[in-house]
Amino acid sequence: DAKTTQPPSMDCAEGRAANLPCNHSTISGNEYVYWYRQIHSQGPQYIIHGLKNNETNEMASLIITEDRKSSTLILPHATLRDTAVYYCIAPFNDYKLSFGAGTTVTVRA
Amino acid sequence: GAGVSQTPSNKVTEKGKYVELRCDPISGHTALYWYRQSLGQGPEFLIYFQGTGAADDSGLPNDRFFAVRPEGSVSTLKIQRTERGDSAVYLCASSLDPSSYNEQFFGPGTRLTVL
Repeated sequence: DAKTTQPPSMDCAEGRAANLPCNHSTISGNEYVYWYRQIHSQGPQYIIHGLKNNETNEMASLIITEDRKSSTLILPHATLRDTAVYYCIAPFNDYKLSFGAGTTVTVRA
Repeated sequence: GAGVSQTPSNKVTEKGKYVELRCDPISGHTALYWYRQSLGQGPEFLIYFQGTGAADDSGLPNDRFFAVRPEGSVSTLKIQRTERGDSAVYLCASSLDPSSYNEQFFGPGTRLTVL
């Protein structure tokens, strides 16, 4: 798996956009970048994935740099329910997710 | 619709005992995965099933761990001679198929405590 690096924690104000960075400088050309999150005492939840183009769905947007060495997950309007650990994953085999430590995001009222 | 379910939600056992953890995937999902999550860490891959067969069991820590999926739906993770280090949350996930375009849907996990 490509090694990913994320900040251990970050705070965000409710209603504001949360921008979560991830470095994956060793990613290969055919490795997707996946984002999952894990709310306390629940199983991880898929958010979004991308290869080289920016992606958007109902949960978030994913911005991948042109050199693919880093990406940013954007939660456009963070709510208290978005408080969770967010994992950036670049699996070599798409089924074998390697979660790492993730970023603990705390959304404050 | 129903998501992935896991039973029991909590299991407390004594060192040396045998335990079985059950996973009911989403109906129609052919791929099933087991992960283990220790306190304060991210989940770690254990085993992946495509249908009834274990396509990749490289994450199983040793031969005390075994998993089956006899009919291609429900899966059971079996741990023999449990050790205190086996204490963790065991997560099961399923996906429609293992291609990269399908996300994994996780269950709530079984918290195993070995005393």
